[in-house]
Amino acid sequence: AQTVTQSQPEMSVQEAETVTLSCTYDTSESDYYLFWYKQPPSRQMILVIRQEAYKQQNATENRFSVNFQKAAKSFSLKISDSQLGDAAMYFCAYRSLNRDDKIIFGKGTRLHILP
Amino acid sequence: ETGVTQSPTHLIKTRGQQVTLRCSSQSGHNTVSWYQQALGQGPQFIFQYYREEENGRGNFPPRFSGLQFPNYSSELNVNALELDDSALYLCASSFQGPANTEAFFGQGTRLTVV
Repeated sequence: AQTVTQSQPEMSVQEAETVTLSCTYDTSESDYYLFWYKQPPSRQMILVIRQEAYKQQNATENRFSVNFQKAAKSFSLKISDSQLGDAAMYFCAYRSLNRDDKIIFGKGTRLHILP
Repeated sequence: ETGVTQSPTHLIKTRGQQVTLRCSSQSGHNTVSWYQQALGQGPQFIFQYYREEENGRGNFPPRFSGLQFPNYSSELNVNALELDDSALYLCASSFQGPANTEAFFGQGTRLTVV
């Protein structure tokens, strides 16, 4: 069974600085997707960034980028130029390519942005 | 906004009662998944419905059941509520086909069992 581990329950970063959230996962599959989701107090889970395991190039979405290390099963999220609106719970997640496509989430990291 | 709507937003029930939660999927989507998110935890997969049939189930007892309707909306039913069922219940819709789409989440239903 696949597992996702986030070892940082909380993190803080000064506004405009850069922060990196860590995630490791375990799987025996060779093809899969990895995600970072943001959950603000409004509770809605918002997709931040997606990485396909077969792609060696790290995904980037504006201020958000990932460091995907497939052999190490590591998938960290870097947020550059942190903004107050980035404050939220961040979940690392895994999805296999099989039909039921359930998403497996880590326990989350609460990110605080300090003004 | 994702186009996935859940109702009600909040609900309080008594232990032993039954509850039905509803989810309207995004237009064009044919798959609905339900997740339970306990306080301070990540969401846990309950089950998924694809074209009105259950298409995968997580580690939840049979008192958690569901339905998907021809318009692809869905219900989650929980019988014999227990205190530990208190959680945020999230619905996610997606399209499964030659090209699968991302899952889009609703804002959830906060269920409190007392």
